Amino acid sequence: QKEVEQDPGPLSVPEGAIVSLNCTYSNSAFQYFMWYRQYSRKGPELLMYTYSSGNKEDGRFTAQVDKSSKYISLFIRDSQPSDSATYLCAMSVDYKLSFGAGTTVTVRA
Amino acid sequence: EADIYQTPRYLVIGTGKKITLECSQTMGHDKMYWYQQDPGMELHLIHYSYGVNSTEKGDLSSESTVSRIRTEHFPLTLESARPSHTSQYLCASSEYGGAGTQYFGPGTRLTVL
Repeated sequence: QKEVEQDPGPLSVPEGAIVSLNCTYSNSAFQYFMWYRQYSRKGPELLMYTYSSGNKEDGRFTAQVDKSSKYISLFIRDSQPSDSATYLCAMSVDYKLSFGAGTTVTVRA
Repeated sequence: EADIYQTPRYLVIGTGKKITLECSQTMGHDKMYWYQQDPGMELHLIHYSYGVNSTEKGDLSSESTVSRIRTEHFPLTLESARPSHTSQYLCASSEYGGAGTQYFGPGTRLTVL
């Protein structure tokens, strides 16, 4: 069983829609939870990170962590065509990250 | 914006050649990492370093080797490239302490013919 499972997608949504991305994990030792965005032929770019259960907002992005269910989510409000990318969840313990396989999102203008 | 650089960005070479992928960061980060990424798959850690003269193998077995002689530089070497080494190689770094959030370079796309 993989340590991190991510909803595979792909997702295609109209501009302005809410995008919902999800990951589950099995390792209770994970301490920090991150979301990365990766555009085609580029390296992953850190979007957000959090360490506690609950919600964290940054502009149009909301990261949600539920440690009791081992479940994390990323919500993108008012999605834009520039949000079209692959989104990777990642979780860390002892400075090492475990990644989900990524969900590719396309926002249609 | 992260200041981490990788060269070359693209490389096409023949089987049996020796190659070195370069990675440099200007943030003074202690920790550096190499990942391998294939389309639609997770990033797999192949090497990491927690400081100068410190290198460790990652979770994914790799025939590559690394060195860390200077804080800012973490090159990866393949002594004899094979078609199975064709992949995207990503370098990352993180600072000491905190969440361990890693900052990535743009990657090197390697194709071995």
